[in-house]
Amino acid sequence: DAGITQSPRHKVTETGTPVTLRCHQTENHRYMYWYRQDPGHGLRLIHYSYGVKDTDKGEVSDGYSVSRSKTEDFLLTLESATSSQTSVYFCAISDRRGGTDTQYFGPGTRLTVL
Amino acid sequence: RKEVEQDPGPFNVPEGATVAFNCTYSNSASQSFFWYRQDCRKEPKLLMSVYSSGNEDGRFTAQLNRASQYISLLIRDSKLSDSATYLCVVNPGYSSASKIIFGSGTRLSIRP
Repeated sequence: DAGITQSPRHKVTETGTPVTLRCHQTENHRYMYWYRQDPGHGLRLIHYSYGVKDTDKGEVSDGYSVSRSKTEDFLLTLESATSSQTSVYFCAISDRRGGTDTQYFGPGTRLTVL
Repeated sequence: RKEVEQDPGPFNVPEGATVAFNCTYSNSASQSFFWYRQDCRKEPKLLMSVYSSGNEDGRFTAQLNRASQYISLLIRDSKLSDSATYLCVVNPGYSSASKIIFGSGTRLSIRP
């Protein structure tokens, strides 16, 4: 258990509304990530963070922004949700125990945009 | 060509059987490799890392073949509880900043 929680776990929203997903970790990990998972695409990186206020884009960052004001919290915002952003969103942390950077995932947020 | 490719399956095998999956990767400079397990509507969970020398964890054996750029997962004496999707994961670099790449997964179903 990597001590990662996500909220909300489920959300239904309408096109054009802003949505913020929260990832919270309790073990002081420096690196945090947001992924989306869709059938046929596997997990795709949206954004990641390598410290407080330090973030970078992943392969599918358009339409998403992130913020990290505290080590333990990494927020993903959809400024104006679209139906193509209906997906399952996973947060992850990177842990270097054992000498290899290994990612551990939160339980996910299932987002539906109508 | 996808950076990490897996046979999507599904593999449907009887309990007690041995089953093997392969995964190919395109970046020959990739540094670390993993197998994750994902149950339906759950998060991916680390099953095992994959080392050049091969590694075993109970009924599970993982192998890396750098020359041919593939990794494999062998499950012996399969159990009903092994039914899941298995994700092949490749880290192209050395650090947490490297953007790891996930395969789309291989679905395994174990029947009684």
